[in-house]
Amino acid sequence: LAKTTQPISMDSYEGQEVNITCSHNNIATNDYITWYQQFPSQGPRFIIQGYKTKVTNEVASLFIPADRKSSTLSLPRVSLSDTAVYYCLVGRDSGGYQKVTFGIGTKLQVIP
Amino acid sequence: DGGITQSPKYLFRKEGQNVTLSCEQNLNHDAMYWYRQDPGQGLRLIYYSQIVNDFQKGDIAEGYSVSREKKESFPLTVTSAQKNPTAFYLCASSDSAGKSSYNEQFFGPGTRLTVL
Repeated sequence: LAKTTQPISMDSYEGQEVNITCSHNNIATNDYITWYQQFPSQGPRFIIQGYKTKVTNEVASLFIPADRKSSTLSLPRVSLSDTAVYYCLVGRDSGGYQKVTFGIGTKLQVIP
Repeated sequence: DGGITQSPKYLFRKEGQNVTLSCEQNLNHDAMYWYRQDPGQGLRLIYYSQIVNDFQKGDIAEGYSVSREKKESFPLTVTSAQKNPTAFYLCASSDSAGKSSYNEQFFGPGTRLTVL
């Protein structure tokens, strides 16, 4: 499995754009990049997924360079409710089982 | 509403006792997973199941057991052999049958187990 590296914590003021970068140098050809969000005492929630280039949904954008060795989750205009832990995952389906690893994640603190 | 339910939300047990955590999903997903999360840590995979009547050990299976008799149910038993069972336990499922790409995992609300 490709190992991912992301900052342990980040602070941001409300209304700012937040970019969290994840490094995954050993990503395999069939791997997808997925980000999850987790609030305290809750299960993680899927945010966004991509394979290459840029993906955008109603919550976030995901930027993936051509070499796919890193990815950046972009949260536009964060609010206090975006305070959470964000996990970057690299993985794929393997015979019906999703081979992924949840690391420590990035703890985002949004400040008023 | 489709989703995953876990019960109970909080569970207390005495040292040396076995305890079973419930996980039910009505998403018609083939794959189900159990994770353990300790304070300030990521999720670690305990067991996973790709189909009914089949399951595989994850990274930290020692002291745990599971069963998958029905597609919608994947209970986890924390046995007395688990040396440090106090943790937050999360169940998840994914729809990956026949798919080639990665599909998101849907998580339950979790069960917080405390061993007294």
